[in-house]
Parts: sequence; structure tokens; C-alpha cells
Amino acid sequence: DAMVIQNPRYQVTQFGKPVTLSCSQTLNHNVMYWYQQKSSQAPKLLFHYYDKDFNNEADTPDNFQSRRPNTSFCFLDIRSPGLGDAAMYLCATSSTGYGYTFGSGTRLTVV
Amino acid sequence: KNEVEQSPQNLTAQEGEFITINCSYSVGISALHWLQQHPGGGIVSLFMLSSGKKKHGRLIATINIQEKHSSLHITASHPRDSAVYICAAAQGAQKLVFGQGTRLTINP
Repeated sequence: DAMVIQNPRYQVTQFGKPVTLSCSQTLNHNVMYWYQQKSSQAPKLLFHYYDKDFNNEADTPDNFQSRRPNTSFCFLDIRSPGLGDAAMYLCATSSTGYGYTFGSGTRLTVV
Repeated sequence: KNEVEQSPQNLTAQEGEFITINCSYSVGISALHWLQQHPGGGIVSLFMLSSGKKKHGRLIATINIQEKHSSLHITASHPRDSAVYICAAAQGAQKLVFGQGTRLTINP
């Protein structure tokens, strides 16, 4: 089935140790998003790619970076994770005329 | 005031009851999404609406563009329907503005 796959499902990282979360899609959607969701809060958009064009939200910390090497893959890099970065990270895709498809998320724990 | 408002914030019902969750929005939209999130889980897209009504199994979603209002209905509710239901307005390049979510609990 066409889908959005996030790996890993759970990630534990040490305070300050760089970590990369990955997202892949088989839908061939041109837009890919990274959201951060903290407990009992709505997802917060970090950035999105429209094809290769990177769009950063104004309030996304510099600690968060992203790469999209091709249509299918998108990565979220957290350069120096802090305790406040512990959250669920959601990848999503969309394309004109199609709805959103979300991945299952990666729950990040910072120790 | 949030751009997307949902009501109620919490809803508890007995199995079999008819459920309605409401969503009002104040922004211009290209589409309105209903999403489902189980505790600790990822998000599942239920519906994308730009007009009228859609039905999938026991779920029905309606939208009134003029009134900027949408509803999600669940018929013959079941405990497995217990989840957070999120209304989200799509703007521009499908950027989503989320409501605060409705936590639904269906008791057996």
C-alpha cells in the first residue's frame, strides 16, 4: 500500500547528541512536512518542502534542520537535542487535490 | 481566538450513541480535514472536504462553506472509536491550521 513511513518509531537520544529522523513516501506527493507535537498539544509545523523548495517556519529553532534528497525521502536533523525537544515528530505528505497523509510518527526521548 | 475552534473539547458517551463533533473556522480555506489520533499514536486522515458531505463506514463529515462550519458524525459508536479527533483547515500550499482537538471516550 502507498504510505508514509517514519523510522524509527521510538528514538532515545542523549542531551546534545545529534539525531536524525527519517521519512519516506511511496505516494509521489510533491509536498512533505515535518511537525512537532508535544503532549496534549496540536502539531506545530516546523518546515515543509514544496518539491525541492524548502520553507522554514519563522519560529522553528535553528537547532532543527531538514534535507530532502529526492521526492521519496525527507530527513529531520536535530543538531543538539535539548530536553525541551522531546516530542512526537510527524511527517506528512500532500499533493494538489489530495489530502494529507501522515506517518505514524517518531517519539523522541532526550535523556 | 483560535482560527479553528472545535467543540466539545471532551466528549464521553456510551457505546452505540450517535456522536457529533463541531468545527468552526475563521480563515479562508482550500479544504477542511478531519484527523484521528489514538493515544500515543500517529495521525490518520479521515476526510478532506471542500464542499458537501462525505461518508466512510460509520463516519460522516459535512461542511457548510458559507457558515464556515464542519461537523464529524459517528454512528453506532464503539469503544475503538475512542481517540482525539482534530479538525484542520488547509490554507495555501496545503498548510494546515489545527483545531485544539476533541477527546472522545466511548464506554462499553
